Amino acid sequence: SQQGEEDPQALSIQEGENATMNCSYKTSINNLQWYRQNSGRGLVHLILIRSNEREKHSGRLRVTLDTSKKSSSLLITASRAADTASYFCATDVNFGNEKLTFGTGTRLTIIP
Amino acid sequence: GAGVSQSPSNKVTEKGKDVELRCDPISGHTALYWYRQSLGQGLEFLIYFQGNSAPDKSGLPSDRFSAERTGGSVSTLTIQRTQQEDSAVYLCASSRDGSSTDTQYFGPGTRLTVL
Repeated sequence: SQQGEEDPQALSIQEGENATMNCSYKTSINNLQWYRQNSGRGLVHLILIRSNEREKHSGRLRVTLDTSKKSSSLLITASRAADTASYFCATDVNFGNEKLTFGTGTRLTIIP
Repeated sequence: GAGVSQSPSNKVTEKGKDVELRCDPISGHTALYWYRQSLGQGLEFLIYFQGNSAPDKSGLPSDRFSAERTGGSVSTLTIQRTQQEDSAVYLCASSRDGSSTDTQYFGPGTRLTVL
């Protein structure tokens, strides 16, 4: 079964608007990462947030983590057409285990 | 520097044939991962290599799947007697030291189609 599940599965917004994607997971984690995938090929790492962090920023990206609710959100501000992609969260299932488990992804479409 | 490369980029094969997929990780990265992604789905972990340790094969779906990593660098994923359900994009990733906080760098993938 999937450790992480993104919500919504698909999201379409107008260029310039903010996009919010959510990730829920089931077991305790050490850290959570967000990745982007263009055109169904290789993934690109966006940001990592540790379990003792609540919020992290990187450029137009803002990630939050609520370990009590076992959930994370990724906010992309001032969206651009180039942000169109699938976004995945990834968690390390067992504390200290190097293996990441990826969620099912959110397909984001930015409408010019 | 060069990123992770994979070959071939596309592979079409007939059911029952064997296929080999290759991954060249980033030089110096000790950890290497294989994932499978079916159409519109998330990534499914297959196997993980870290240095000289025994690989974590817990994600391999059947004994038709095997992988090796020679010399701690290049890796080959072999699928024997391919089935139609093996059709997917196979992604390879490497990371510097394999810790859970490490960034995984992905290759472009191999799209496998089994007819």
